[in-house]
Amino acid sequence: DIQMTQSPSSVSASVGDRVTITCRASQAISGWLAWYQQKPGKAPKLLIYAASSLQIGVPSRFSGSGSGTDFSLTISSLQPEDFATYYCQQAYTFPRTFGQGTKVEVK
Amino acid sequence: EVQLLESGGDLVQPGGSLRLSCAGSGFIFSSYAMSWVRQAPGKGLEWVSTISGGSGSPYYADSVKGRFTISRDNSKNTLHLQMSSLRAEDTAVYYCAKNSDSSGKNYVDYWGQGTLVIVSS
Repeated sequence: DIQMTQSPSSVSASVGDRVTITCRASQAISGWLAWYQQKPGKAPKLLIYAASSLQIGVPSRFSGSGSGTDFSLTISSLQPEDFATYYCQQAYTFPRTFGQGTKVEVK
Repeated sequence: EVQLLESGGDLVQPGGSLRLSCAGSGFIFSSYAMSWVRQAPGKGLEWVSTISGGSGSPYYADSVKGRFTISRDNSKNTLHLQMSSLRAEDTAVYYCAKNSDSSGKNYVDYWGQGTLVIVSS
């Protein structure tokens, strides 16, 4: 199985900050990576697919990059509604695997 | 608007069985693969199973293989997850999710609100 490792596990930030979360795959997955946002008690929401494509309706302050084994999600200017947990997931092969999550908290 | 509504979550004893259902609307149900993803209390997301739009060969996580069966009824726009030999570690919120294509070899783009399964005596 492909293991997905996110870092950091949590990050404390303020509104307006630039935040970057990284995700590393245990083997190359080309660009088959998605990022999801989850708020407490809610279902996850797709933000980014194919490593860098913005899902319809997602604000442009979210961006993704990377290929192969190393990927990142960047929030260019953190907004109050962005405090949440973020997960990466590989869609290269089955079984699908998620990173452990990164919680973005208020500083 | 895509809507996914899960049902069937309950408290069940270890070794018991349960069937989850998910009603899809707002999209052509038969044209998209569907998945189940679960989340244990306070934990991360775990993919469980995916079935193609045409009910082709399903995929399962090793943790549920042989115990869970995914199926769909395209005439009723409904997805199911039959769970048997349930264990305490199956306790989780189970999310129904729509994939972005028919094969399932792509991304989950919409999620239901989840249904809670508790396995306990």
